[in-house]
Amino acid sequence: GDSVTQMEGPVTLSEEAFLTINCTYTATGYPSLFWYVQYPGEGLQLLLKATKADDKGSNKGFEATYRKETTSFHLEKGSVQVSDSAVYFCALSASYSGAGSYQLTFGKGTKLSVIP
Amino acid sequence: EAQVTQNPRYLITVTGKKLTVTCSQNMNHEYMSWYRQDPGLGLRQIYYSMNVEVTDKGDVPEGYKVSRKEKRNFPLILESPSPNQTSLYFCASSFLSGHSMGANVLTFGAGSRLTVL
Repeated sequence: GDSVTQMEGPVTLSEEAFLTINCTYTATGYPSLFWYVQYPGEGLQLLLKATKADDKGSNKGFEATYRKETTSFHLEKGSVQVSDSAVYFCALSASYSGAGSYQLTFGKGTKLSVIP
Repeated sequence: EAQVTQNPRYLITVTGKKLTVTCSQNMNHEYMSWYRQDPGLGLRQIYYSMNVEVTDKGDVPEGYKVSRKEKRNFPLILESPSPNQTSLYFCASSFLSGHSMGANVLTFGAGSRLTVL
């Protein structure tokens, strides 16, 4: 079945440091890929997405590129801020039709803490 | 404001006492889903619904029930809660697009923290 593997946390960085959170996936067909973010005490919200190979999703200074050859969708930000402290989830949705095609498969989440 | 509303946000209950967590969305979304979030396990899907009167099991449906009598509401029912159902629960919804969520995006509620003693 489909699966998403993301780097284990927690990750602690100083403000203005470079961030990479690795995400790789296993899926049949051509999935869409997502990064969701969960701020403390809140539900998840979409950070960025990519729907086909070589697409780059970007939002709030975060970027991720859909790499089909390496089945990866790593999240990056050049300079993190304290306000970026949150849990980040990588996810995929399968593209094949059928009962399972509407489902999102999530990674386990990576907690990021940014210290001043 | 477009949103998914869950209630209650916090609940402490005892083993065996039936409870319902309500979920309502105001975006006319066809798809709704329940997840539980546990440390080290991420989000796991409990049940989902693709439209009124259409529901199906997710990865961890045991001990839960759902219903979808109206498009906007998707309550989660724990008929006889047990301590292993202590968790943080999220409801989410989205539009459907053809045969795949594709570019569609889930909107999540703020979560319901349930403790079963």
